[in-house]
Amino acid sequence: KQEVTQIPAALSVPEGENLVLNCSFTDSAIYNLQWFRQDPGKGLTSLLLIQSSQREQTSGRLNASLDKSSGRSTLYIAASQPGDSATYLCAVDGNKLVFGAGTILRVKS
Amino acid sequence: NAGVMQNPRHLVRRRGQEARLRCSPMKGHSHVYWYRQLPEEGLKFMVYLQKENIIDESGMPKERFSAEFPKEGPSILRIQQVVRGDSAAYFCASSPGAPGGYNEQFFGPGTRLTVL
Repeated sequence: KQEVTQIPAALSVPEGENLVLNCSFTDSAIYNLQWFRQDPGKGLTSLLLIQSSQREQTSGRLNASLDKSSGRSTLYIAASQPGDSATYLCAVDGNKLVFGAGTILRVKS
Repeated sequence: NAGVMQNPRHLVRRRGQEARLRCSPMKGHSHVYWYRQLPEEGLKFMVYLQKENIIDESGMPKERFSAEFPKEGPSILRIQQVVRGDSAAYFCASSPGAPGGYNEQFFGPGTRLTVL
C-alpha cells in the first residue's frame, strides 16, 4: 500500500527566503508525481507534474525534483513571497493519486 | 476552456437525508475521479470513472455511497442516509486520459458537505 509523507508539516519563513519542501513515498512503481497548492477553503491548483522517467520540472520560481529509486521528491521555492502562503500537497500516481498530509507554508512580510 | 465545475459549492443536510454532488469535467476529459477530505485529514481517493463505467471504486465506503458518470451530463456522487461523519469536502478531478504517463489531474473547487 502506497504511503506518502511530507516534511515539514508546517513552515514559517520571512519573505525572500528560498525553501525546500520534502515528499517521500514507499512504492516506487508510480507513473508520475504531482505537486499541488491548496488555499484555505479552496480547491487544488496543480503546480508541477513530473513523469516517472523525468528528474525535475520547473515553472517560474518553482522547481520540483524526483528520485524515484529512493522514493523522494522535493519542491524548491525561490525568493518566497507572502502570496505563496498555502498548503502544499504532494501526490503520487500509480493508477490513482495518493496524497501526503501536506506542508502548511506561511511567508511573513 | 472552463475548468472542472462542481455544484453545489456548499450543501447542508440533516442526518438521514440524501446528498447529491455533481461534477462536470473539463471539456475533452472523459476520466473523472472523486476524492474526500475529512476535517484535519488528507485527501483520500474514492472512485475513478469513465463514461458509463466505474473503473476503480476501491476507496468508496461499502454502504450508502455510489457514483455514476452517465453518457450525457455530469458525474454524480450520491450519499444516502447521511451521518455526521460524512461532513467533509468532496473534490472532483478530471483528466484527458487514463492514469499513466503524462496524465495531469485537474481539480474542481469542491463541495463542502455539512451534516447537522
